[in-house]
Amino acid sequence: NAGVTQTPKFQVLKTGQSMTLQCAQDMNHEYMSWYRQDPGMGLRLIHYSVGAGITDQGEVPNGYNVSRSTTEDFPLRLLSAAPSQTSVYFCASSYGTPSTNEKLFFGSGTQLSVL
Amino acid sequence: GNSVTQMEGPVTLSEEAFLTINCTYTATGYPSLFWYVQYPGEGLQLLLKATKADDKGSNKGFEATYRKETTSFHLEKGSVQVSDSAVYFCARTSGNTPLVFGKGTRLSVIA
Repeated sequence: NAGVTQTPKFQVLKTGQSMTLQCAQDMNHEYMSWYRQDPGMGLRLIHYSVGAGITDQGEVPNGYNVSRSTTEDFPLRLLSAAPSQTSVYFCASSYGTPSTNEKLFFGSGTQLSVL
Repeated sequence: GNSVTQMEGPVTLSEEAFLTINCTYTATGYPSLFWYVQYPGEGLQLLLKATKADDKGSNKGFEATYRKETTSFHLEKGSVQVSDSAVYFCARTSGNTPLVFGKGTRLSVIA
């Protein structure tokens, strides 16, 4: 049982480069989300999706794009990386939305450094 | 607005000490409240939750009681172990809003 799988685990980028953080879940969860974790800031929501074809912005969406073409996958794209995007990124999913008290399942994170 | 405030860490305790990590919230309506735990090098995982006033969530010796009158959901454990060393996050949801997390409290337990 894989759960939520994030790749890569580590990534170093130069300013201006683009990349995609991958997130896949095999639990048939409708809700998926991306958070970034920074020291002293806790977890901040970037984007989320309540189902295939539906995405919405969270607290800190600028500089990131998402799409949800399938139930399983929710990639996060950085179009032009900036040093301020250096962070640990977590993908999370749940069967229903958190507002229905559904437990969130987290991936193990991607540590991104932008030089 | 809707927010969660946790006591700042780090918290360092000796093994078998009593643990309290404070959490208060502001929210419109009646939020559900959660504690998530993050062990080193891992993602977060749900520790316990409470969905209405006076509910007590419990798991692995940890407890938290939903106190509507004080808008609090403090995490407690009577006797901590070295294996409890982790970062603890209080979180709340309300209505259709995604989960909102506190900033996290790092706990270190020394033998």
